[in-house]
Amino acid sequence: SQTIHQWPATLVQPVGSPLSLECTVEGTSNPNLYWYRQAAGRGLQLLFYSIGIDQISSEVPQNLSASRPQDRQFILSSKKLLLSDSGFYLCAWSVSSGSEAFFGQGTRLTVV
Amino acid sequence: KQEVTQIPAALSVPEGENLVLNCSFTDSAIYNLQWFRQDPGKGLTSLLLIQSSQREQTSGRLNASLDKSSGRSTLYIAASQPGDSATYLCALNAGGTSYGKLTFGQGTILTVHP
Repeated sequence: SQTIHQWPATLVQPVGSPLSLECTVEGTSNPNLYWYRQAAGRGLQLLFYSIGIDQISSEVPQNLSASRPQDRQFILSSKKLLLSDSGFYLCAWSVSSGSEAFFGQGTRLTVV
Repeated sequence: KQEVTQIPAALSVPEGENLVLNCSFTDSAIYNLQWFRQDPGKGLTSLLLIQSSQREQTSGRLNASLDKSSGRSTLYIAASQPGDSATYLCALNAGGTSYGKLTFGQGTILTVHP
């Protein structure tokens, strides 16, 4: 069966520090991968999606970037965090663009 | 641009009651619709997926319906239990070149009290 792992679960980082959040999917190959952010009162917002290695698209201009170093690994990064980067970050995957989406347990990021 | 609205924003019911959560959307050109559950501080758990060609899907005490022409979906929960307390989210997939991107509603916070 397929599983998705996301870590760390919580993170407190100072403004201006770098960020690296990791997401790994097991039990499938060439999944579509997604990063969403859930901010208080704003619902879930898609940040990045990837339909294959070296195929990453950004939805919202921001202080973040994403990479896919391996088929089933998706990383969200920042060189310098802003206060506004605080939120709950969720990684998701699907077999194809029209199939069911599955989410990880999320990372609570607090920038101080 | 697709807009998704969930009503009510919050709902509190006694245990055992049947309830309906509503999701409406502005663009009927959808590929599928997915209902999720989110417990506080946790990720999303997929409950039901309805393809655009389907009218409803059932899983245990849950039944989701879809009416594309009117831009509505409902999630029916039968015989509610305290363990059903969570935030329920609907999400739309436009298919095609949207590459599986989901557009979410703001969610309905459900509280089932004993």
